[in-house]
Amino acid sequence: EVQLVESGGGLVKPGGSLRLSCAASGFTFSSYSMNWVRQAPGKGLEWVSSISSSSSYIYYADSVKGRFTISRDNAKNSLYLQMNSLRAEDTAVYYCARAMEYSSSPFDYWGQGTLVTVSS
Amino acid sequence: SYELTQPLSVSVALGQTARITCGGNNIGSKNVHWYQQKPGQAPVLVIYRDSNRPSGIPERFSGSNSGNTATLTISRAQAGDEADYYCQVWDSSTNWVFGGGTKLTVL
Repeated sequence: EVQLVESGGGLVKPGGSLRLSCAASGFTFSSYSMNWVRQAPGKGLEWVSSISSSSSYIYYADSVKGRFTISRDNAKNSLYLQMNSLRAEDTAVYYCARAMEYSSSPFDYWGQGTLVTVSS
Repeated sequence: SYELTQPLSVSVALGQTARITCGGNNIGSKNVHWYQQKPGQAPVLVIYRDSNRPSGIPERFSGSNSGNTATLTISRAQAGDEADYYCQVWDSSTNWVFGGGTKLTVL
């Protein structure tokens, strides 16, 4: 069974940092692209970042470019999101999601999300 | 940047057909994916590449895409179909884009 479990969320002050993790199981992690998607309270889905299976290709939304860094460790079946210079508008539930390794592949499995709250 | 436009809400009578649209410039040339999200839960893929259903998704869910509009159609709507629905596309200039979401109410 495919499982994606996010962790690392919590309360952080504006300007602070947080590192999210996503532990994957039930599939060959190294064969899939991985993604982060967030959802602010009461709002819609917003794509944050994507990383290809071998980390060769990395993409960021303009809203987080220069502040967030996506990475993965295929040996540990884990995906990460390092978030720096956090702002109130980064407050959201952050989901990790899997996608097959081809262009415009859908996000076929999602984790349950981890809540990040940026507040003083 | 590429944008997707969805109606904020759609209502459908129990057992009838609901249609949720997703508008975008020449969206017919792109692959459109649809997600269902129920309150407090993660999104679930219900249609991929315009009209394909993942395993486990009822045949009542179907999709189409042409011109400037993609459509998710839910036939014989059930109470359990009440949820938020999001369309998604990949655009070379914007990367991944989600529509703003549509709240489906089954009356």
